[in-house]
Amino acid sequence: NAGVTQTPKFQVLKTGQSMTLQCAQDMNHNSMYWYRQDPGMGLRLIYYSASEGTTDKGEVPNGYNVSRLNKREFSLRLESAAPSQTSVYFCASSEWPGNTIYFGEGSWLTVV
Amino acid sequence: AQRVTQPEKLLSVFKGAPVELKCNYSYSGSPELFWYVQYSRQRLQLLLRHISRESIKGFTADLNKGETSFHLKKPFAQEEDSAMYYCALSGNYGQNFVFGPGTRLSVLP
Repeated sequence: NAGVTQTPKFQVLKTGQSMTLQCAQDMNHNSMYWYRQDPGMGLRLIYYSASEGTTDKGEVPNGYNVSRLNKREFSLRLESAAPSQTSVYFCASSEWPGNTIYFGEGSWLTVV
Repeated sequence: AQRVTQPEKLLSVFKGAPVELKCNYSYSGSPELFWYVQYSRQRLQLLLRHISRESIKGFTADLNKGETSFHLKKPFAQEEDSAMYYCALSGNYGQNFVFGPGTRLSVLP
């Protein structure tokens, strides 16, 4: 039982490049989330999916897109990376919105 | 709107000293409050939630609705408690979590 797994763990991108962060959970959770963590800013919600087939914007969605591929998987895409998107990204899941959230190990992304 | 504040960015205490990490919230309904901990370069993990009223690793937290606070306490800090601590709130009907900005606890030997 791995919980929430996300890939890649580390990535360096050039400005303007695109990439997708992959996330999967094996806890049969309905809700999944993408957060970014920046020094002094705490955790900020980018997008979430309350249940399979739905996605909604969080606090800082600009520059990102998401896909809830199925119940297990929720990917985050940066279409044209910018240095402001340098951050640590955490995928997370919960049984339903508002329940305890379980986090992945994080993906360290640097945009140069 | 729901909001969580943690007034201290950094809190340093000596080993064996009591520690209190402050958390205040604003929410019009009856929220559910959580504390998450993140050890160095690890994932965030749930430390405790107010609804379960349990003590984890010696930490406790009491929800004070009058003061809208959910402070995290431990009577005797240990060096292994050094970590980043996030207070979080979940609103009625399953609205999404809101996390506070976090407090870095440093326990000195």
